[in-house]
Amino acid sequence: AQSVSQHNHHVILSEAASLELGCNYSYGGTVNLFWYVQYPGQHLQLLLKYFSGDPLVKGIKGFEAEFIKSKFSFNLRKPSVQWSDTAEYFCAVMVDYGQNFVFGPGTRLSVLP
Amino acid sequence: EAQVTQNPRYLITVTGKKLTVTCSQNMNHEYMSWYRQDPGLGLRQIYYSMNVEVTDKGDVPEGYKVSRKEKRNFPLILESPSPNQTSLYFCASTKRGLVNYGYTFGSGTRLTVV
Repeated sequence: AQSVSQHNHHVILSEAASLELGCNYSYGGTVNLFWYVQYPGQHLQLLLKYFSGDPLVKGIKGFEAEFIKSKFSFNLRKPSVQWSDTAEYFCAVMVDYGQNFVFGPGTRLSVLP
Repeated sequence: EAQVTQNPRYLITVTGKKLTVTCSQNMNHEYMSWYRQDPGLGLRQIYYSMNVEVTDKGDVPEGYKVSRKEKRNFPLILESPSPNQTSLYFCASTKRGLVNYGYTFGSGTRLTVV
């Protein structure tokens, strides 16, 4: 079965620090990859997605992610975080044309002002 | 406004008392899905539906039922809730052919079973 792992359970950064959240998946076929963000008390919102083409994808709010097929990874990055980026971040993999959409356990990001 | 609407947002119930969480989308999406979110476990799929009258089990279907009689609605039914079903539940939908774009999520239903 497909699975998604995220490297960190909780990351604490100061404002203006750079961010990288790790995500690895296990599936040998074609995948579509997503990062979702969940702000406190809110529902999940799509941050960015990859399904083909340039492996470096840019999303909203200055986030980007790089798909490295050989490493089965899709790490999320942001050069300079803000206090408002405090949230939980979920990596997700979609396979089988939507029949299987698997989330990672999430990484909580706390940005200190 | 295109959205997925869940009701109720918060619910506290007692063990064994049947309940239904409703989910409705106004985007004419074929695919709908229910997830539960628990700390440290991320989101786990309970049931999904590819279209009207087509439903299938996800990763954690035990204790849940769903139905898809209309395209826009996908209620989640707990026939006899138990405390281990205390969780945050999300409904999500997407359109066939656009599944690469990910799901649109509802605002969540926080369920507590005492």
